[in-house]
Amino acid sequence: ETGVTQTPRHLVMGMTNKKSLKCEQHLGHNAMYWYKQSAKKPLELMFVYSLEERVENNSVPSRFSPECPNSSHLFLHLHTLQPEDSALYLCASSQVPTSGGYNEQFFGPGTRLTVL
Amino acid sequence: KNQVEQSPQSLIILEGKNCTLQCNYTVSPFSNLRWYKQDTGRGPVSLTIMTFSENTKSNGRYTATLDADTKQSSLHITASQLSDSASYICVVHTDKLIFGTGTRLQVFP
Repeated sequence: ETGVTQTPRHLVMGMTNKKSLKCEQHLGHNAMYWYKQSAKKPLELMFVYSLEERVENNSVPSRFSPECPNSSHLFLHLHTLQPEDSALYLCASSQVPTSGGYNEQFFGPGTRLTVL
Repeated sequence: KNQVEQSPQSLIILEGKNCTLQCNYTVSPFSNLRWYKQDTGRGPVSLTIMTFSENTKSNGRYTATLDADTKQSSLHITASQLSDSASYICVVHTDKLIFGTGTRLQVFP
């Protein structure tokens, strides 16, 4: 195990539902990330939180809403999703680098989301 | 445009055989390159990281090479095992992380 857990592991929801994905890291890291992984596409970075502040939002639709209440927990709130949002959603954590760039990220197992 | 391309898209080999996965990138400026292994149903796990000045780095049966002049990297797996069946993702770090689409490796007995 990498020290990053995600729940639920699988989620099926309708387009009108509201659900949340949860991520927890036990590594003492201070940066957390949400990624979307679709079949045959590169990982897409969605959100970055550094020291509990959102520092990057890569033009993600507003139907995805992140929340980072503390350095160990990260949520992704979902509402009125579309079928094309079906994908594997990965959470990762790392230490904030002291001189810019990216340190190694440790990934959770992901949540497989299906939107009907 | 910053891109990372991996080949082949998928690969099937017999247990015990060697294989090489390729990663070509058009990324600038270059900071480092990582290879990740992603087992089915799990998140990616880092195998190696290589900086501009490193040509080769090994991690057990995995050996990564980097040619910064031609902007190519390879991941060589020696004496493959069934547990090597996974997707292998090349990630190049510039001012952001650029991910490849991965190579899906299947090892059969």
